[in-house]
Amino acid sequence: QSALTQPASVSGSPGQPITISCTGTSSDVGDYNYVSWYQQHPGRAPNLIIYDVTNRPSGISDRFSGSKSGNTASLTISGLQTEDEADYYCCSYTSTSTHVVFGGGTKLTVL
Amino acid sequence: QVQLQESGPGLVKPSQTLSLTCTVSGGSIRNGHYWSWIRQLPGKGLEWIGYMFYTGTTNYSPSLQSRVSISAGASKDQFSLKLSSVTAADTAVYYCVRGISGYRMDVWGQGTTVTVSS
Repeated sequence: QSALTQPASVSGSPGQPITISCTGTSSDVGDYNYVSWYQQHPGRAPNLIIYDVTNRPSGISDRFSGSKSGNTASLTISGLQTEDEADYYCCSYTSTSTHVVFGGGTKLTVL
Repeated sequence: QVQLQESGPGLVKPSQTLSLTCTVSGGSIRNGHYWSWIRQLPGKGLEWIGYMFYTGTTNYSPSLQSRVSISAGASKDQFSLKLSSVTAADTAVYYCVRGISGYRMDVWGQGTTVTVSS
């Protein structure tokens, strides 16, 4: 069981927006703006797309955006493209001894 | 541009110790950053194993803490993972990763598959 909860799957049509949620607790997402998101295509290593809740690394499309409300962080992809079809993982700092927790991952299907 | 490459045996026998090395090109593990190992069990999500800060401080997943060790190599451009008493449940793709912090991991190796089987 993952420490952060994500929906197992989401889907959307090209051009539409989708949002993936990541729910934690006051020990992680709720109390710290230290949430990151990773995109993983099949057979490939994950790639950082959002860090510190809302920031995009250089080279990441501005179609990807992050936000947070309470204990839930969200990744929004606007204007879905076929190449966005991938697995997405959230990750957070936690004040427990673990210090790092992942979500279980969400499979995005572009219809 | 920093790149990471995992290396080590692809097959380990049950009860033995899994040992992997990560070679860092274009940088040094002693110039800052967090140096982590992440694994992905077959068909499953990402699992954080632990990290080594460039000062040598380490932090491990509680579920693996009794069996895991992450340390710097003799060379300034290598760090390693050791996981003892492995079972089939440790079969996974293992990634070495550089992080700006423990949770903000910006450079990933390509991953190496380790199978635990007799």
